[in-house]
This record gives sequence, C-alpha cells and structure tokens, in this order.
Amino acid sequence: EVVMTQSPATLSVSPGERATLSCRASQSIKSNLGWYQQKPGQAPRLVIHGASTRATGIPARFSGSGSGTEFTLTISSLQSEDFAVYYCHQYNNWPLTFGGGTKVEMK
Amino acid sequence: EVQLVESGGGLVQPGGSLRLSCAASGFSFSDYAMSWVRQAPGKGLEWVSVISGFGTYTNYPDSVKGRFTISRDTSKNTLYLEMNSLRDEDTAVYYCAKCLGVSSGGYAPDHWGQGTLVTVSS
Repeated sequence: EVVMTQSPATLSVSPGERATLSCRASQSIKSNLGWYQQKPGQAPRLVIHGASTRATGIPARFSGSGSGTEFTLTISSLQSEDFAVYYCHQYNNWPLTFGGGTKVEMK
Repeated sequence: EVQLVESGGGLVQPGGSLRLSCAASGFSFSDYAMSWVRQAPGKGLEWVSVISGFGTYTNYPDSVKGRFTISRDTSKNTLYLEMNSLRDEDTAVYYCAKCLGVSSGGYAPDHWGQGTLVTVSS
C-alpha cells in the first residue's frame, strides 16, 4: 500500500500570505496525485489533479507541483474561503489512498 | 451540472447489512468510473471501492473486500454499495463520487455527493 504523508498537520497563516502544503508518497506514483479541499460539514472538492492541473473553477492562486514521491500544493495569497482541510490522494496504485490531511487555519 | 445524491444510510447493528444508492445526473453516466469514499467521524478520507464505466472492473481495499460490493445500473444512472457483515469501524459518512475518467489513470474523484451517514452500533 502506498502511504501518503502530509505535512504539516496544521498550518497557521494570515490572510494574504502564501501557504505551502507538502505530500510525500512511500513509492513513486508518477503524477497521479490529486488535492482536495474540505470545509466543515461539506463534501471534499477537487482542487488539483495530475499533480499540477487545476480543476474546473479553481482560482489561479492554487498551484500544484511535483512528481514521483514529492508533491506540493501552494496557495499564493490566502483568502478567507481557503481556510479548510486539504487532502492529497494517489490514484496510481491499488489500494487508492489518501493522506491524513493538513488543516489550514487562520493565524 | 453534475449532481450526485446518496441515500440508504442509517443505523444498523453489527453483522447487519445495508445498501447505499447514489442517483447521478448531469453527465453521461457510463462514460465515467465511479467510487465510494468514506469518512469516519472526525477522521480523514478512506477510499472504499471503484467501478469502471461499464461496470466490468471493480476494486476494493482489504478493509472491505469480501464484505462490500459496488455495482451500477446504467439504465437508472444509479450507483450502489451493498454492505454486509458490518462492523463498528464501518461507521462513517459515505460519499459517492464521479471519477475523472472511465478506467485506469482516471480514478480520481472529481465530483462528490453530500454523503450519507452509516452508523453501526448495537
């Protein structure tokens, strides 16, 4: 099983600042990596797929990078609506697996 | 607009069974793989099952293999999850999700329903 490790567990950021979230896979998953945003009481929302492709309707301040085992989600200038939990997800190997999440909270 | 509406959740005793349904609309149902993903209270996301566009391929993690069965009815645009031998640890919100593609390489969920709560307790 591919273990997805996200860091940090919690990220405290002020509005307008940059947020950088990391995700590491225990083995290569090529670019088959997605990022999801989840707000309390809501379903997850796809932000990035293919490691770096923004999903439909996602603002340009979100960007993804990486391949193989190291991936990054960057939010260039945090807006109030971006405070949420973010999960990475690999869909390269069975079983499909998610990271434990990074909570982005207001500083 | 893609819409996914789950139903069938509820309270069930350990060892019991439940069938979840997911009514899909707004896209060509058989053109996309579909998944179930669950989230235990206060916990992260766990993939539960996937089925290919025409239902010829399915896969499950070991935690549910042999107990859960995913299926789809393309005539009704509906996805199902049959859950048997339920355990306390199966308690979670179960989300139905449309995948990016129809088969391998496209199994990432891109649209999610609002979820249905399954509680396994005596």
